[in-house]
Amino acid sequence: DAGVIQSPRHEVTEMGQEVTLRCKPISGHDYLFWYRQTMMRGLELLIYFNNNVPIDDSGMPEDRFSAKMPNASFSTLKIQPSEPRDSAVYFCASTSPRGYGYTFGSGTRLTVV
Amino acid sequence: KQEVTQIPAALSVPEGENLVLNCSFTDSAIYNLQWFRQDPGKGLTSLLLIQSSQREQTSGRLNASLDKSSGRSTLYIAASQPGDSATYLCAVTGAGSYQLTFGKGTKLSVIP
Repeated sequence: DAGVIQSPRHEVTEMGQEVTLRCKPISGHDYLFWYRQTMMRGLELLIYFNNNVPIDDSGMPEDRFSAKMPNASFSTLKIQPSEPRDSAVYFCASTSPRGYGYTFGSGTRLTVV
Repeated sequence: KQEVTQIPAALSVPEGENLVLNCSFTDSAIYNLQWFRQDPGKGLTSLLLIQSSQREQTSGRLNASLDKSSGRSTLYIAASQPGDSATYLCAVTGAGSYQLTFGKGTKLSVIP
């Protein structure tokens, strides 16, 4: 298995632009998570899905953020409009039924200028 | 709300030394605890997963223990090597949720 795949690896965009981050979970994993990592706040859960359905989006900072999972093998995290304070590393992770640990992607480093 | 604390925030040791990293959590009602390693600019690599019913897990030179009642876990690294230099993150899964709550990590430097 290729693991959790995220794209792009790096994204630099101007303030106000729309940004879309992509994730392909491990086949067979039915939970998918989006995390954000910053120096100040560490790793924070933004949203997670179970069987493609959003379960908890309480970590999504504001309405500018949205996430979708149209099928079991693909998820997106969209920021519109982007702001400099959104600059962070965004990680996607997936897991099978609880107890087997979580696998993280390599992350997308987002810089909003 | 679950809170995870890792002490120390940074640690520097000479090569060959044995070391212990500490993790504490405020809510003992956890399902499991996982230790990760993160290299600079990279993603998270899972090292060890301990179920709440277990007391420890071992993988090579790594040994992780769990004392759920006291809300503590330790990661023991034997005979440290420069290649062990990285940030080590502890994370717990709550018994009533599916999300991982992370500590802020311990940055380890092993000096040759």
